[in-house]
Amino acid sequence: DGGITQSPKYLFRKEGQNVTLSCEQNLNHDAMYWYRQDPGQGLRLIYYSQIVNDFQKGDIAEGYSVSREKKESFPLTVTSAQKNPTAFYLCASSIDLSTEAFFGQGTRLTVV
Amino acid sequence: AQSVTQLDSHVSVSEGTPVLLRCNYSSSYSPSLFWYVQHPNKGLQLLLKYTSAATLVKGINGFEAEFKKSETSFHLTKPSAHMSDAAEYFCVVIPLGGSYIPTFGRGTSLIVHP
Repeated sequence: DGGITQSPKYLFRKEGQNVTLSCEQNLNHDAMYWYRQDPGQGLRLIYYSQIVNDFQKGDIAEGYSVSREKKESFPLTVTSAQKNPTAFYLCASSIDLSTEAFFGQGTRLTVV
Repeated sequence: AQSVTQLDSHVSVSEGTPVLLRCNYSSSYSPSLFWYVQHPNKGLQLLLKYTSAATLVKGINGFEAEFKKSETSFHLTKPSAHMSDAAEYFCVVIPLGGSYIPTFGRGTSLIVHP
């Protein structure tokens, strides 16, 4: 099956710990994205990548980091510098930046 | 710069009645426009897209949207609501120039009453 896989679905971490969210796609898409979703705020762009070994900050990159070493994978690390990390995180990919994105099922991160 | 305004945060309809979800946009470049649907705790699913072909776009599950350049609008409609349509809907604009970064509206929650 072609698609985007995010894991895990639910993640709990203690305050002050870094945590990495996984995103893998087998759609052969060049572009990948990470979004954060909070109630009533829609989706906000954290980072995006147009191509392997390249990525750019989005609107709310502070406290997050990414890597794009393989076309299929775009992991997101939520660092201890992120002041309010509890949220629903969505990964997406598209053929390129001008085309529609396809989304994973999301990871709900809760920091206690 | 671009922006998307979804004019209603909540829309409530009865099953079998028409649905109208409103979206206005601004973009410095010609836009591509999209509507997505999100069920609780799920990812987003593409409903339909406008990419400068026909201005009336048909999507999945009986939804359609009309691109009106003069009004900078891209409203989503469905003739008859079904209970399974209850979800969050997002309007998205991608400017076909500049950064090409998608901008999402804040979403409209569609409530369907039996």
